[in-house]
Amino acid sequence: NAGVTQTPKFQVLKTGQSMTLQCAQDMNHEYMSWYRQDPGMGLRLIHYSVGAGITDQGEVPNGYNVSRSTTEDFPLRLLSAAPSQTSVYFCASSWALGGGTGELFFGEGSRLTVL
Amino acid sequence: AQRVTQPEKLLSVFKGAPVELKCNYSYSGSPELFWYVQYSRQRLQLLLRHISRESIKGFTADLNKGETSFHLKKPFAQEEDSAMYYCALLFTSGTYKYIFGTGTRLKVLA
Repeated sequence: NAGVTQTPKFQVLKTGQSMTLQCAQDMNHEYMSWYRQDPGMGLRLIHYSVGAGITDQGEVPNGYNVSRSTTEDFPLRLLSAAPSQTSVYFCASSWALGGGTGELFFGEGSRLTVL
Repeated sequence: AQRVTQPEKLLSVFKGAPVELKCNYSYSGSPELFWYVQYSRQRLQLLLRHISRESIKGFTADLNKGETSFHLKKPFAQEEDSAMYYCALLFTSGTYKYIFGTGTRLKVLA
């Protein structure tokens, strides 16, 4: 049981480049989400999804796109990277529609540096 | 607007001293509150949730709706408690969404 898997763990980009952070979970969770972690700012919600085909914006969505074509996967896309997107990104998932305790399960994080 | 506030960025205490990490929330609905912990080089993980009223690793947290607070407490801090602690609020009314506070780094000194 792998839980929540994020790739890559580390990435360096140049300003203007695009990339996708991958997130997959094998727990059949309805809810999936992306956060960024910055010193002094805590964990800020970027985008979230409550099921395949459903996505919504969080607190800091600008510069990021997501899609949810399957229950298992929730990739985060940076279309044109900016230095302000240098951060550690976490994917997290949980059950949402009954039967769950609300516990969020986190990936190991992806450290992104934009030069 | 919904918000979770953790006023202390850093809290340093000596081993054996009591610990209280503060968390205040702003939410008009019925809150579901959690504490998450991130130990060095480990994943973020659930510490406790207000609904279960449990004590994990000696930590407790009581939801005070009047003061809109969910402070985390431990009577005697241990060195292994040193970590980053996040208070989190789960919305389930009309949506399903988790937001977090800014976190408090706890350092327990020998």
